[in-house]
This record gives sequence, C-alpha cells and structure tokens, in this order.
Amino acid sequence: DIQMTQSPSSVSASVGDRVTITCRASQDISSWLAWYQQKPGKAPKLLIYAASSLQSGVPSRFSGSGSGTDFTLTISSLQPEDFATYYCQQANSFPFTFGQGTRLEIK
Amino acid sequence: EVQLVESGGGLVQPGGSLRLSCAASGFTFSSYWMSWVRQAPGKGLEWVANIKQDGSEKYYVDSVKGRFTISRDNAKNSLYLQMNSLRAEDTAVYYCASQYQLRKFDYWGQGTLVTVSS
Repeated sequence: DIQMTQSPSSVSASVGDRVTITCRASQDISSWLAWYQQKPGKAPKLLIYAASSLQSGVPSRFSGSGSGTDFTLTISSLQPEDFATYYCQQANSFPFTFGQGTRLEIK
Repeated sequence: EVQLVESGGGLVQPGGSLRLSCAASGFTFSSYWMSWVRQAPGKGLEWVANIKQDGSEKYYVDSVKGRFTISRDNAKNSLYLQMNSLRAEDTAVYYCASQYQLRKFDYWGQGTLVTVSS
C-alpha cells in the first residue's frame, strides 16, 4: 500500500497568513493526488484534485502543486472559515490512502 | 443539489452484522463510481470500498475483505455496505462518497455512526 505522510501535523496561523502543507507519498503517484478540508462534525470537502486542479466552487486562494512523491497545498491568505483539518489522498492505485491530516489552528 | 444521505448505523455487538444504505439524489447516480470511507473517533480518513457504475468492479481495503460487501441499485439511486463479522476496530463514522472520475471523491454524505461494542 502507498503511505501518505503530511507535514506538519498541526500549524497555527493568523487570518491573512500564507500557509503551506506538504504531503509525501511512499512511491511515485504521478499527479493522482487530492486535497480535502474537514471541519469538526462535518464531512470532508474536496478542494483540489489531480494535484493542482481546483474543484468547482472552491476559492482561488487554495492551490496545489507537485508530482511524483512530493505535493503541497497552499492557502494564499487565510480566512476565518479556513481553520480546519486538511487531508491529502492518493488516487494512483488501490487501496486509496489518506494522509494523517494537518490541523490548521488560529494563532 | 447533490445529496447523499446515509442510514443504517447503530450499536452492534462484536461478530454481528449491519447494513448501511446511502440514498443519492441531484446527480446521475448510474454515471458515478461510489465509495464508502470511514473515520474512527478522533482519527483520520480510511477508504473502505468502492464500486463501478454498473457494479462490475468492486475493490476493498484489506482489513474488510471477506467481511464487507459493497453493492448498488441504480434503479433506486442507492448504495449499500453489508458489514459482517464486525470488530471493535470497525467502529467509525461511515461516509458514502461519489466519484465521477475514479480518482477523486466529489461529494460526501453526512455520515452514519457504527459502534461495535458489547
């Protein structure tokens, strides 16, 4: 199985900050990576797919990059509603696997 | 508006069975792969199983193979997960999720909680 490792596990930031979350795959997954946002008690929401494609309706302050084994999610200017947990997910091969999550907290 | 509504969760004893359902609306259900994804209390996300549009292909995570069965009824716009021989480690919120393209979970239901405990 492909292991997905996110860093950091948690990060504190302020409204207006630029934040980057990293995801590393244990083997080459090409560009088959997605990012999700989850708020407490809610279902995850798709933000980015195919490493850098923005899902319809998602604000443009979210962006993704990377290929192979190393990927990043960047939020260019944090808004109050962005404080949540973020997960990466590889879609290169079964079983699909997720990173352990990065909790984004208010500083 | 896309809606996925799960049902069927609850408390079950170890070794017991449960059948989860997911009712879909607002999109062409028969055109989508569908998945079940679970989240143990306070933990991360784990993909469990998925099924092709016509039901001809099914895939499972190793930990549920031989115990869980995914199925669908396109006439009823419904997805199912039959869970047998349940274990304490199966305790989680179970989400159904759509996949128009196999490689992303587009939409998610609100989840249904399964608790396996004596």
